[in-house]
Amino acid sequence: AQSVTQLDSHVSVSEGTPVLLRCNYSSSYSPSLFWYVQHPNKGLQLLLKYTSAATLVKGINGFEAEFKKSETSFHLTKPSAHMSDAAEYFCVVSGSVYSGGGADGLTFGKGTHLIIQP
Amino acid sequence: AAGVIQSPRHLIKEKRETATLKCYPIPRHDTVYWYQQGPGQDPQFLISFYEKMQSDKGSIPDRFSAQQFSDYHSELNMSSLELGDSALYFCASGVGGYQETQYFGPGTRLLVL
Repeated sequence: AQSVTQLDSHVSVSEGTPVLLRCNYSSSYSPSLFWYVQHPNKGLQLLLKYTSAATLVKGINGFEAEFKKSETSFHLTKPSAHMSDAAEYFCVVSGSVYSGGGADGLTFGKGTHLIIQP
Repeated sequence: AAGVIQSPRHLIKEKRETATLKCYPIPRHDTVYWYQQGPGQDPQFLISFYEKMQSDKGSIPDRFSAQQFSDYHSELNMSSLELGDSALYFCASGVGGYQETQYFGPGTRLLVL
């Protein structure tokens, strides 16, 4: 079974400072991992995806994430925050909690609300 | 680039009524997924279809059913609506199913009164 834990429900940073959103996962097999972003009253936009090709994954809008198998982590970072980054961020693992592997539903973390201070 | 289309975007229903949500995947995508996102919650996987066959099943209530048609669009049918069904319903599409990227539509916001 798969699960995702986002370690912070809220993160507040000043504009121009680095962003770190933490995510730990649990999976009974080699998963695909994703970060999605959701702006208020909007849909879910894919930021980046890890599929074992490279441990450091670059995404859109300057975001990147590093897969660390030994720590079962997939933290999201950005060197310099922008006001437009304020949104809800979801760490996601492939496979649903209702399957034993081989299924295709996604399991979402509870989300981290990123606040950007001017 | 073409995206996932969902209709309607907003829907208001009374308790015990029925609702049908539609999803049109990105062209050439053969897999459709449905998710439910309650207020302040993370999206919960409901059900998925690959090549018009049910592929995976999540927390979908027995009152809900879904299918994927020959043109790959999908419909989520919801009966005996309850107040707790008020949520944002997302459809996502992809290619090939397992571990592939899912591209989400804008969602249908359902309010049950």
